[in-house]
Amino acid sequence: GAVVSQHPSRVICKSGTSVKIECRSLDFQATTMFWYRQFPKQSLMLMATSNEGSKATYEQGVEKDKFLINHASLTLSTLTVTSAHPEDSSFYICSASPSGDEQFFGPGTRLTVL
Amino acid sequence: DQQVKQNSPSLSVQEGRISILNCDYTNSMFDYFLWYKKYPAEGPTFLISISSIKDKNEDGRFTVFLNKSAKHLSLHIVPSQPGDSAVYFCAASAFGSSNTGKLIFGQGTTLQVKP
Repeated sequence: GAVVSQHPSRVICKSGTSVKIECRSLDFQATTMFWYRQFPKQSLMLMATSNEGSKATYEQGVEKDKFLINHASLTLSTLTVTSAHPEDSSFYICSASPSGDEQFFGPGTRLTVL
Repeated sequence: DQQVKQNSPSLSVQEGRISILNCDYTNSMFDYFLWYKKYPAEGPTFLISISSIKDKNEDGRFTVFLNKSAKHLSLHIVPSQPGDSAVYFCAASAFGSSNTGKLIFGQGTTLQVKP
């Protein structure tokens, strides 16, 4: 149990395009989902926290207009990287938390912006 | 400002020996600490955690030690197995409860266990 999926697992896009990444909790309802970004050889950096039905809370330094987060249901959150640029290339990981005591991570999405 | 630091990027041990992974933190408000294991191209998986009211937590081959005065924690794996080879992340939370709070991660330590 407690499986979190992400789609796509890998995406390559041209500079200036927008990319949507989906995060789904497959066998539980997630009241809270988190989005992280990991650059090579660096730690996972929390980008934002989203609760179902409400606006996401962004960490300092993360542009909310660039990284659009929608937590439309208790099993789905999406992260849209708008007008992506090469510096946005990174590994994006989501996690989902039921109304309990654990945070379950997705497998991550590798974004490469050319 | 790196609030959680794992100063050793890599560690290599022989199968059967003990692996010790270290983690330091700077924020005295952190009250819950976790270790995650991550394989390439996969998300982190939870391994073990410890609350700040404890100084040790053990789960099978994995033991986490917390030294609050030194703001230091360590993960001991004994005996180490080749399947333990992965990247290990230390994470900390300041939300007074468990895992649903915001997590601050260290940079990770790559553990290689040689057969």
